[in-house]
Formats: sequence, C-alpha cells, structure tokens
Amino acid sequence: DIQMTQSPSSMSASLGDTVTITCLASQDIGNYLSWYQQKPGKSPKLMIYGATNLEDGVPSRFSGSRSGSDYSLTINSLGYDDEGIYHCHQYYEYPNTFGAGTKLELK
Amino acid sequence: EVQLVESGGGLVQPGRSLKLSCAASGFTFSNYYMAWVRQAPKKGLEWVATISTSGSRTYYPDSVKGRFTISRDNAKSSLYLQMNSLKSEDTATYYCARRLPGNVMDAWGQGASVTVSS
Repeated sequence: DIQMTQSPSSMSASLGDTVTITCLASQDIGNYLSWYQQKPGKSPKLMIYGATNLEDGVPSRFSGSRSGSDYSLTINSLGYDDEGIYHCHQYYEYPNTFGAGTKLELK
Repeated sequence: EVQLVESGGGLVQPGRSLKLSCAASGFTFSNYYMAWVRQAPKKGLEWVATISTSGSRTYYPDSVKGRFTISRDNAKSSLYLQMNSLKSEDTATYYCARRLPGNVMDAWGQGASVTVSS
C-alpha cells in the first residue's frame, strides 16, 4: 500500500501568515493527489485535485505543488476561516490512502 | 446542487450487521463511480469501498474485504454499504462520496455515525 506521510501533524499560525503542509508519498503517484479541508463536525471539502488544480469556488490563496514525491498545500494570507484539519489523499491506485491530517489553528 | 445524504447509522453489537444508505440528488447518479470513506473518532480518513457506475466492479481495502459490501440502485439514485461481522475498530463516521472520472472524490455527504460496542 502507498503510505502518505503528512507533516506537520499540527501547527499554529497568525492572521496573514503563509503556511505550507506537506505529504510525502512512499512511491510514485504521479499527480493523483488531492487536498481536503475539514471543519469540526463537518465532512471534508475538496480544495485541490491533480496536485495543483484549484477546485471551483476555492480562494486563490490556496495552491498545490509537487516536487518529486513531495506534495505541498500552501495557504497565503491566512484567515480565521482557514482553521481546520487538512488531509492529503492519493487516488493513484487501490487502496486509496490518506495522510494522517494536519490540524491548523490560528493564534 | 449535489447532495448526498447518509442514513442507517447507529449502535450495534460486535459481530452483528448494519446497512448504510446514501441518497443522491442534484446530478445523474448513474454516471458516477461512488465510494464510502470512514473516519474513526479523532482519527484520519480511511477509504472503505468504491463501486463502478453499473455496480459490476467493486473495490475494498483488506481491512473490510469479505465483511463489507458496497452496492447501488441507479433507479433510486442510492448507494449502500452492507457491513457484516462488525468489530469495535469499525466504529467511525461513514461518508459517501462521489468520484469524478479522474478518480478524485469531489462531493461528500454529512456522514453517518456507526458505533460498534456491547
């Protein structure tokens, strides 16, 4: 199975900061990588797909990138609405696997 | 608007069975692969099952293979998850999700809570 190692597990940042969350894939997954945002008690919301494509309606402050087996989600100009847990997901092959999640809090 | 509404969750004893349903609306259900994903309390997401548009192909991780069965009724725009021989580690919120042709899951239901406990 493909392991997705996500880091950090939690982070705290200030309003207006830029933050980056990373997932390392244990083997090649091409660009079959998505990012989800999850608020407490809610279902995951798709933010980025295909490693770099912004889902419709998602603010352009969010961006995805890839460097080899490292996939990153960057959030610019952090706002209070960006708090939540972020999950990466590889859908290159079965079994699909997720990272352990990153809890983002604002100071 | 795409809507996915799960139902059928609840408290069940270990070894027993439970069937979840997911009612879809706002899109042509029969055109999409569908999936179930679960999330144990305070844990990450775990993919549970995927079904093809016709229902002829199904996919499971080893953790549920042989115990869970995903199915669909395109005439009713409904997705199902039959869960047998339930274990305490199956306790989770179960989400149904729509899969796009590129395999990304773009829409999720609100989730159904399943607790396996004696």
